[in-house]
Amino acid sequence: EAQVTQNPRYLITVTGKKLTVTCSQNMNHEYMSWYRQDPGLGLRQIYYSMNVEVTDKGDVPEGYKVSRKEKRNFPLILESPSPNQTSLYFCASSSFGNLGSYEQYFGPGTRLTVT
Amino acid sequence: GIQVEQSPPDLILQEGANSTLRCNFSDSVNNLQWFHQNPWGQLINLFYIPSGTKQNGRLSATTVATERYSLLYISSSQTTDSGVYFCAPQLFKTIFGAGTRLFVKA
Repeated sequence: EAQVTQNPRYLITVTGKKLTVTCSQNMNHEYMSWYRQDPGLGLRQIYYSMNVEVTDKGDVPEGYKVSRKEKRNFPLILESPSPNQTSLYFCASSSFGNLGSYEQYFGPGTRLTVT
Repeated sequence: GIQVEQSPPDLILQEGANSTLRCNFSDSVNNLQWFHQNPWGQLINLFYIPSGTKQNGRLSATTVATERYSLLYISSSQTTDSGVYFCAPQLFKTIFGAGTRLFVKA
């Protein structure tokens, strides 16, 4: 089954404790991206990756790191989480595709609370 | 950057009714997507539609890129259509509109 998986689904942590949210896709997609969703602010892009070892900042990259060492994985790293990073996080992937179709497939979301 | 405006912000329908959701964007784009977020938070891609019209069952979408808008049509709405509908111009740097929150009453 084609899917994007995220782990963990729920996480409560404390300020300053490094954490990683994993994202993996099994569709051999080139493009992967991280978003955060907040009430009143909507969905905003954190980082995206066009392919292995190619990453770029989205609209709200501060406080986050990413890496793309393998095509299927795109982890989101919070080196020193702060309460303003409490949010619902989504990972997504898409293919550039020979057919020119770029539908993004989303993971189930990770609800992060930083106290 | 591109500004995205969706209307209406909220919509309540009786089951079986039709509706049109609109997405205006401030600059030329060469791609646009529509997404549905169901009440459980799951995000699903509905259409990748940089221009023209596409249909998928009771849903269809039209993008007129030269006039900087896209429309999502929902016909014969069902309670399962409830949720939030987002449009997102661009591709790699994705910008989401604020969404249209739809509630379909049985």
